[in-house]
Amino acid sequence: GESVGLHLPTLSVQEGDNSIINCAYSNSASDYFIWYKQESGKGPQFIIDIRSNMDKRQGQRVTVLLNKTVKHLSLQIAATQPGDSAVYFCAENNYGQNFVFGPGTRLSVLP
Amino acid sequence: NAGVTQTPKFRILKIGQSMTLQCTQDMNHNYMYWYRQDPGMGLKLIYYSVGAGITDKGEVPNGYNVSRSTTEDFPLRLELAAPSQTSVYFCASILRTDRHYTEAFFGQGTRLTVV
Repeated sequence: GESVGLHLPTLSVQEGDNSIINCAYSNSASDYFIWYKQESGKGPQFIIDIRSNMDKRQGQRVTVLLNKTVKHLSLQIAATQPGDSAVYFCAENNYGQNFVFGPGTRLSVLP
Repeated sequence: NAGVTQTPKFRILKIGQSMTLQCTQDMNHNYMYWYRQDPGMGLKLIYYSVGAGITDKGEVPNGYNVSRSTTEDFPLRLELAAPSQTSVYFCASILRTDRHYTEAFFGQGTRLTVV
């Protein structure tokens, strides 16, 4: 069945360094992918999305890369800040029927 | 303010009680979702709706019911609360056409404890 998973459950980075969070998905028919950030006690907050006809998309300090050949998604955060500390989820969508979320990666930013 | 609104924010239920979690959105989104999130875990889909009058089961529908009588509202009903339903519940919505998705918006969550 469909599944979305993450390679690293926790990630600690120094403030100012770049962070890379990885995600694997299994449904090759998925056409839309999203990264969400969830801070403690809050709902998921949209960060960036990418469609299956793209390989890369950049936002403010964030970049999402999609490798359809190996069904891999990554989120890169430049110059990581303390406010970036949160749990990050990737999610895939297959023609709008459902978003399948991975278990999440906790990002801790060290001073 | 535009967005997804969930009520209540917190609730404690006794085993066997029933309740309805309310979700409303004012963005005219056609797709709406209910997820539950257990501690340290990702989100699991309970039910979803692709438009008014249409609902379908997700990954973990047992013990829940939904209805979608209007575009704006998507309430989630628990008929006989069980401790296994202790979780945080999130409602989400998105506008999807054949060629376009909007960003999916999430509510702030309802923290439910069944004792």
